[in-house]
Amino acid sequence: NAGVTQTPKFQVLKTGQSMTLQCAQDMNHNSMYWYRQDPGMGLRLIYYSASEGTTDKGEVPNGYNVSRLNKREFSLRLESAAPSQTSVYFCASSEGQGHAQPQHFGDGTRLSIL
Amino acid sequence: QKEVEQDPGPLSVPEGAIVSLNCTYSNSAFQYFMWYRQYSRKGPELLMYTYSSGNKEDGRFTAQVDKSSKYISLFIRDSQPSDSATYLCATMEYGNKLVFGAGTILRVKS
Repeated sequence: NAGVTQTPKFQVLKTGQSMTLQCAQDMNHNSMYWYRQDPGMGLRLIYYSASEGTTDKGEVPNGYNVSRLNKREFSLRLESAAPSQTSVYFCASSEGQGHAQPQHFGDGTRLSIL
Repeated sequence: QKEVEQDPGPLSVPEGAIVSLNCTYSNSAFQYFMWYRQYSRKGPELLMYTYSSGNKEDGRFTAQVDKSSKYISLFIRDSQPSDSATYLCATMEYGNKLVFGAGTILRVKS
């Protein structure tokens, strides 16, 4: 049972390069989320999608774009990477359209920007 | 001030000890409380999920919420080396977003 799958697991970019992080879930969940995790900061929400066809900004959306490609897939794009975007990125999904549902996480993408 | 405060640790205990992990929060509208466990280089996994005040027990784990003092606790009985991980508390009000603590690193020594 795969759950939430993120690709790639690791990536190194140069400043100014672009990159798309992929996320897919096989639990038939309606809602999907992108977080970043930095030391001492906890998990911070970048964007979320309450249902297929909708996306909304979270706490730290600047420098990112998202696409909810279908019910299964939710991608995160960095158009022009900056060193401040060096982080571990997690995708999550939950069953309901509201945030009261527990979220299930992938194993993350470790992104370094030089 | 962060909405959820959590001591980062690390907290180091001997095998078999009772562990107490804690968070405080500032928003009295928070109603849902969760604990996630995160092993090194893995994603967070849901450990406990409670609504409003009170206790919830699951095996060796007990989650406690005191809304009057805005205090969340996770107790681990008979701790094992396999419990070594980072523990994240999270909370939210209905219809809003999850807010996470920064996480406490726990090390259980055999």
